[in-house]
Amino acid sequence: GENVEQHPSTLSVQEGDSAVIKCTYSDSASNYFPWYKQELGKGPQLIIDIRSNVGEKKDQRIAVTLNKTAKHFSLHITETQPEDSAVYFCAASLSSGGSYIPTFGRGTSLIVHP
Amino acid sequence: DVKVTQSSRYLVKRTGEKVFLECVQDMDHENMFWYRQDPGLGLRLIYFSYDVKMKEKGDIPEGYSVSREKKERFSLILESASTNQTSMYLCASSDGTYPDRAFFGQGTRLTVV
Repeated sequence: GENVEQHPSTLSVQEGDSAVIKCTYSDSASNYFPWYKQELGKGPQLIIDIRSNVGEKKDQRIAVTLNKTAKHFSLHITETQPEDSAVYFCAASLSSGGSYIPTFGRGTSLIVHP
Repeated sequence: DVKVTQSSRYLVKRTGEKVFLECVQDMDHENMFWYRQDPGLGLRLIYFSYDVKMKEKGDIPEGYSVSREKKERFSLILESASTNQTSMYLCASSDGTYPDRAFFGQGTRLTVV
């Protein structure tokens, strides 16, 4: 099955700095890579996703890059703000029984210091 | 907006009790999932369902069962709760067009004492 590794487990930055979270996946058949943000006391919320037919996608201050050859993808957050503090999860999709089941990384706790 | 609602935010149950966690989604999604979230372990799939009365085991189904009698509702059942099932439980749903794009509920923090 698919295996997703996520690094770092904790990331501490100063407000205004950039933050980068990296994930690798094992199954070359995976073709969908979402990123979720989980704020304290809430469920994960999809913030950006990318499919394997593109190499980069951007939405305001966040961007995701994908390297299919190396089987890794990254989340980039620029000009970080305190409200970016949360746990971020990457995932890779695996087709099973007619439905695509995401396999999640273990999460990165991002702390943005004012 | 998709809304996935879990019936309880916090739950405390005794060892050996039968526990029901309920999840309802309002977007007519075909697929529904139950995950367990533990510190350092991320999200682990317990069960999923891609249609009414259909269910598939995930990565950690032992000690759990599920029920999906109606399309909008997916229940997780702990037949005999144990202390190692103390965890955060997350329900999610997705549609048939983008089945891999999951929307999560707010989570139920279950404590088994």
